[in-house]
Amino acid sequence: QQQVKQSPQSLIVQKGGIPIINCAYENTAFDYFPWYQQFPGKGPALLIAIRPDVSEKKEGRFTISFNKSAKQFSLHIMDSQPGDSATYFCAASIMISSGSARQLTFGSGTQLTVLP
Amino acid sequence: EAQVTQNPRYLITVTGKKLTVTCSQNMNHEYMSWYRQDPGLGLRQIYYSMNVEVTDKGDVPEGYKVSRKEKRNFPLILESPSPNQTSLYFCASRLAGAREQYFGPGTRLTVT
Repeated sequence: QQQVKQSPQSLIVQKGGIPIINCAYENTAFDYFPWYQQFPGKGPALLIAIRPDVSEKKEGRFTISFNKSAKQFSLHIMDSQPGDSATYFCAASIMISSGSARQLTFGSGTQLTVLP
Repeated sequence: EAQVTQNPRYLITVTGKKLTVTCSQNMNHEYMSWYRQDPGLGLRQIYYSMNVEVTDKGDVPEGYKVSRKEKRNFPLILESPSPNQTSLYFCASRLAGAREQYFGPGTRLTVT
């Protein structure tokens, strides 16, 4: 079964702190690992993504760390701000059937609150 | 502006009354899909479509129908809604084979 397990379910940090959200997957055929950010009343939006041949990817204050052997990846938010308060979803993607489509499996989400 | 639109955004209905949630994208994307989002469960895929007249079941298709008669539209149909279909629904689209997926703003459905 294609599963992506995400933790913690909720996270509260002070402004400037470094929240870390963790995800683990089972299927080694996943070949793309995006993180989505969702604000209340909005759809998820792609934040940052990584491929399994890379151990780390950084975009601005957001960093993905990827551990292929452990089948785990995590999102770090440096110098977190109240505006980062949102729900974060990890996901894993795999090419399916005929090779012309991709299936995306989501984690259960982490509600992040950054206190001012 | 490139976007995915959904209508309605909020809907309250009663058990058994057929309803349709529309989804439209203006990016000429081949691939479209529907998800439901429930607390603690993340987003689960209901149905997806790889192109016009090509649809397939996702992880939780029971109680839902879809159609893809035009490339830009992918409506979600609940023939006989039940309270366990109360949820937040998202439509998404992307180019075939592309990794990035674009989500609509969501439709909050309540079935009483």
